Amino acid sequence: DTAVSQTPKYLVTQMGNDKSIKCEQNLGHDTMYWYKQDSKKFLKIMFSYNNKELIINETVPNRFSPKSPDKAHLNLHINSLELGDSAVYFCASSRQTGVLTEAFFGQGTRLTVV
Amino acid sequence: GDSVTQMEGPVTLSEEAFLTINCTYTATGYPSLFWYVQYPGEGLQLLLKATKADDKGSNKGFEATYRKETTSFHLEKGSVQVSDSAVYFCALPNNNAGNMLTFGGGTRLMVKP
Repeated sequence: DTAVSQTPKYLVTQMGNDKSIKCEQNLGHDTMYWYKQDSKKFLKIMFSYNNKELIINETVPNRFSPKSPDKAHLNLHINSLELGDSAVYFCASSRQTGVLTEAFFGQGTRLTVV
Repeated sequence: GDSVTQMEGPVTLSEEAFLTINCTYTATGYPSLFWYVQYPGEGLQLLLKATKADDKGSNKGFEATYRKETTSFHLEKGSVQVSDSAVYFCALPNNNAGNMLTFGGGTRLMVKP
């Protein structure tokens, strides 16, 4: 069983469109994340979310919004897509331990905006 | 804020060579430290971790020691294999930001037969 799964794996879309990427975890974790990895492999945190708190990286445009229908899911919605949004997006989850926060990652969604 | 600095790649080695990838960090307090590995076309996997000063994390022949005095967590392996070719990321959780992981820039390792 895949611990953290994302769909779709590949997404090609035109500028200006609105798209969503889904993420599900079956680990019983209470915190989920979205990361963006650019073409140079640099990883940037976008959001951290649990049932109490949403933490947003202030550099993330408000066109990006996380939506969590339940504890096991954190979907990423992107409005008015731009060329610069092309990247690989990773979902992750962890259990809040206060000391050791090991994160488990999905396989990634490669988004290409044309 | 918290940050992680890794040596830039790519690092190209021959099989059975010794590997060191440097990682230094800036953080408040003494956070846990992690090394993640990303194989081609895949997501990140935890490679090893250390939770306190002088701890040594190890896995699959890789080791890293948490050095508080030098704020470092260098990754080492005595004899690399072609299958170790991947991108390696050093990371720490930001306890002031929901424990989100802050990653270094990643170091690509290429091992040639």
